[in-house]
Amino acid sequence: DTGVSQDPRHKITKRGQNVTFRCDPISEHNRLYWYRQTLGQGPEFLTYFQNEAQLEKSRLLSDRFSAERPKGSFSTLEIQRTEQGDSAMYLCASSWDRESPLHFGNGTRLTVT
Amino acid sequence: DAKTTQPNSMESNEEEPVHLPCNHSTISGTDYIHWYRQLPSQGPEYVIHGLTSNVNNRMASLAIAEDRKSSTLILHRATLRDAAVYYCILTSYNTDKLIFGTGTRLQVFP
Repeated sequence: DTGVSQDPRHKITKRGQNVTFRCDPISEHNRLYWYRQTLGQGPEFLTYFQNEAQLEKSRLLSDRFSAERPKGSFSTLEIQRTEQGDSAMYLCASSWDRESPLHFGNGTRLTVT
Repeated sequence: DAKTTQPNSMESNEEEPVHLPCNHSTISGTDYIHWYRQLPSQGPEYVIHGLTSNVNNRMASLAIAEDRKSSTLILHRATLRDAAVYYCILTSYNTDKLIFGTGTRLQVFP
């Protein structure tokens, strides 16, 4: 069990560029979650997957955001046409099932200049 | 999901017990009480959870009021590494995600 891995740890991009983040969950965890966190706030739910199916998306997830989990293992979160308001920590978490605790990665910090 | 109320911040000295309160007056009978904490520059980590009875694990104890409208996370001997933001979260039987508030920032002094 190597924990939830996120890549990259930091990303600086210019406004208008596209960015993609990757999350590798704990092996055999069926559920995978994406959260966003800004300074001084708790993590905000974005979306989650049960295996490869995306079951819920927050209203925070505008049409510029898309997430995939193609084979039910790793997941990617893409932000198109980034805006300065997208600057945040993007956290990924995984769990075995709904009742199991979430295991979080250490996040990808995005800075949009 | 029912909401929780936590103090914004608390302080403790090293080696002393810490009692972190959480109010959840609108909790329903099937809501679980979860605690997570977030150390600086890390993602949140699970601490403990319970339904009605008090719970103990290697990290902490969870004391749940008899009417379940409040709970307390107890760190028996605070260390500097316990300095973190602690989140109290309720989940119901049909909850598919955790909804975080702003938590309690715990400072531990040597």
